[in-house]
Order: sequence, then structure tokens, then C-alpha cells
Amino acid sequence: GQGVEQPDNLMSVEGTFARVNCTYSTSGFNGLSWYQQREGHAPVFLSYVVLDGLKDSGHFSTFLSRSNGYSYLLLTELQIKDSASYLCAGTGGYKVVFGSGTRLLVSP
Amino acid sequence: GALVYQYPRRTICKSGTSMRMECQAVGFQATSVAWYRQSPQKTFELIALSTVNSAIKYEQNFTQEKFPISHPNLSFSSMTVLNAYLEDRGLYLCGASRTGVNQDTQYFGPGTRLLVL
Repeated sequence: GQGVEQPDNLMSVEGTFARVNCTYSTSGFNGLSWYQQREGHAPVFLSYVVLDGLKDSGHFSTFLSRSNGYSYLLLTELQIKDSASYLCAGTGGYKVVFGSGTRLLVSP
Repeated sequence: GALVYQYPRRTICKSGTSMRMECQAVGFQATSVAWYRQSPQKTFELIALSTVNSAIKYEQNFTQEKFPISHPNLSFSSMTVLNAYLEDRGLYLCGASRTGVNQDTQYFGPGTRLLVL
């Protein structure tokens, strides 16, 4: 079947890191995308992963394990402005299935 | 980079009337265009997916009769919300997938926020 699961909320502290987890069971899975969405705005594309392992993109890094249906988005050196919702989306063909998003709150 | 525009950004319509929204991919040709609705307190719901050389495919709970879509070329799509009611309010997002690398990645427009009175 198709399903993308994320925790609802995550809290962390400025200057540290946060890991946003995502599990999925998307049939015909090709890749997994991560988006950042701020309240009242459209999601902004962050990263697309299709290969297993860690993809280091600086402030945002992503990890994928296809055999386990698991991915995470890692934010390092957190800033207050990183507070937002982070959505993972599994892709099967042209279809994109979104998780409900994880609301990250970064405190001082 | 890939840009997707949507128009209008915000709109208000009276209950029972209809409104049309547009989506334009700039700088690339979109192999597919998907329309989503994000209702208050909800995640994205896929309304329909329009892919090159294929018929527009609507998801369960969404119909062509309610949300007719036009996709005349690889850069432009429009969707109309017919006979809008309160449950149709929300942020309507257009996601366009580009050809080439990361073909499955969708780039979103800023959305059209619909308020129904």
C-alpha cells in the first residue's frame, strides 16, 4: 500500500541538531523528497534521495534506507529560523505521497 | 532554477460559485502537473495528476465534474473549483515535475488560498 509516516512534533535547541524521521511504504517507490513548509506558505524543496546512504548537503543532510523504508532529514547548527514543518514525500512514478509533516521548534 | 507560479495567490468566492486558478512552470517543461489541496489542519490531498500523453487521473473523493483541469501544454495548467462550498477552502498547490534529473521531484508554486463565504 501507500503510506508515509512522520512524527508530529520535534523540539531542539539552537546550535544543536535535529533529526526528522520518516518511514514509508510506497509501492513503486522511486525516491523520497524532503520539503520545508512555513505556516501559510507552499512547501519548498530541500532534497531528493534515491540511493541508500547519507547525502550531505551542508545545513540539510538526508539519509535513506530503501530496504527498511526509512529516511531522515538532519539539520545541523540549528537556528531559530529553522523552526518550520518538514515534510517527506515518497514518489512512485509521477505520483507524490506526502507525510503529515513534522513541526520542528527550535528554542534559544 | 525551476520556478512555478500560481495565480491568483488569494481569492474569496461566495458559496455555490466557481473560481479558476492557474499554474505556470517557468524555465522548464513540466512532464507532469499535480494539483493538491491543503485544508486547515490537514496534510496534502492529491486532487489529480496530469501527465504528458496520459489522461488526467483524479484521486478518490475528487472528480472532474467538481475540479475540471486543463493542461494545454507542458508549462501551463488550470483548475476550476466548481460550486465551491465551505469544505473547499484551503491552499491549492500546483506541483510540477521537470524532465531530466530528479524527474520525480515536484516543485511547488506558492499556492492559491481559497476562502469560501
